Amino acid sequence: EAGVAQSPRYKIIEKRQSVAFWCNPISGHATLYWYQQILGQGPKLLIQFQNNGVVDDSQLPKDRFSAERLKGVDSTLKIQPAKLEDSAVYLCASGRMNTEAFFGQGTRLTVV
Amino acid sequence: QKEVEQDPGPLSVPEGAIVSLNCTYSNSAFQYFMWYRQYSRKGPELLMYTYSSGNKEDGRFTAQVDKSSKYISLFIRDSQPSDSATYLCAMSGGDKLIFGTGTRLQVFP
Repeated sequence: EAGVAQSPRYKIIEKRQSVAFWCNPISGHATLYWYQQILGQGPKLLIQFQNNGVVDDSQLPKDRFSAERLKGVDSTLKIQPAKLEDSAVYLCASGRMNTEAFFGQGTRLTVV
Repeated sequence: QKEVEQDPGPLSVPEGAIVSLNCTYSNSAFQYFMWYRQYSRKGPELLMYTYSSGNKEDGRFTAQVDKSSKYISLFIRDSQPSDSATYLCAMSGGDKLIFGTGTRLQVFP
């Protein structure tokens, strides 16, 4: 079974630029999560989708972050404009509701 | 109060020791409990998954859930240097999946 795919693996941008991350979940998983992990901290949920509907986006900074999941499969997370404090690893995970989540390798973002 | 509390460590033990990692939580709705292992520069990897209270064993790893105390543990027997990583507890119930901050474990030869 293929795992969660994320791209790119690494990205370096200047502040105020925009960036987008892509995630392809495990086939058949209706739930998709985007987490932000700052160095030394646990993952923080940004947004959770169930199929293509948003379940929880309470911690998503909506003035600069946006996410979509078209057709209930792939998802993209965008940051525009980026700030220095957005430097982190962005993790995508997928699962079935109320069960374990499986993670991709993450995208390491550095904002300079 | 955070929904999930986990001691960040670091925890440093000699090879062969028994390691105990713990998390406490406040939300009674949590029914599913997980432990993830995260190596540096990698995504979290699911180690153990349990439902409700009780114990679950998988090789050198034992997960324990005490819902009455809102306390979960992960025990690692005969720890190895390859176990050196950050261990994250996670819990779900309703629509939520919440992580602890992670405990960094170092096993030295």
